[in-house]
Amino acid sequence: ETGVTQTPRHLVMGMTNKKSLKCEQHLGHNAMYWYKQSAKKPLELMFVYSLEERVENNSVPSRFSPECPNSSHLFLHLHTLQPEDSALYLCASSQEFRAGGRHEQFFGPGTRLTVL
Amino acid sequence: TQLLEQSPQFLSIQEGENLTVYCNSSSVFSSLQWYRQEPGEGPVLLVTVVTGGEVKKLKRLTFQFGDARKDSSLHITAAQPGDTGLYLCAASDSWGKLQFGAGTQVVVTP
Repeated sequence: ETGVTQTPRHLVMGMTNKKSLKCEQHLGHNAMYWYKQSAKKPLELMFVYSLEERVENNSVPSRFSPECPNSSHLFLHLHTLQPEDSALYLCASSQEFRAGGRHEQFFGPGTRLTVL
Repeated sequence: TQLLEQSPQFLSIQEGENLTVYCNSSSVFSSLQWYRQEPGEGPVLLVTVVTGGEVKKLKRLTFQFGDARKDSSLHITAAQPGDTGLYLCAASDSWGKLQFGAGTQVVVTP
């Protein structure tokens, strides 16, 4: 595997379910990100991890819970979601994360989430 | 407040035509990136521009960073169906977070 991979690619869940999204990067990067992409809206940054520490939590509801066990893996745990949470969830990585940095990002293919 | 404004939102052209998409802001950026996203995939980095007035070429794609580093444009010459996609510009804010524009959807028909 190369680049950034995400599983599953598609997920349908009810509002009472608990599920997890997985992301893995094979680029040796030190920063990983979760984004939400909804139709006709800019990508919304949800979480940033740098060297396995969460450095950004962009006012995301607690029903989304990230986990970064090591610099190559990132999870997004989901529980009691709402239909408006249906979107494409993208994982990305970059070499580093710091103020003033260029943060060129490499994205995974995304997980298309539908909440019924 | 959206940091980056992209225009137009949608562009449909015939194969062989030229097109330009724009990315504008009132803020000054140290660098700006362009990505292309195809259906069912994540965005892919095309280029990073750093210097005011800089012009970079990637085959038939020409990227320009404004002199004041507040805006950028992407010009495609002789567009092909493979150029179809959502073009996104992005720039880091003062905290280092990458802010994205809403994108320009480009459709090139044969």
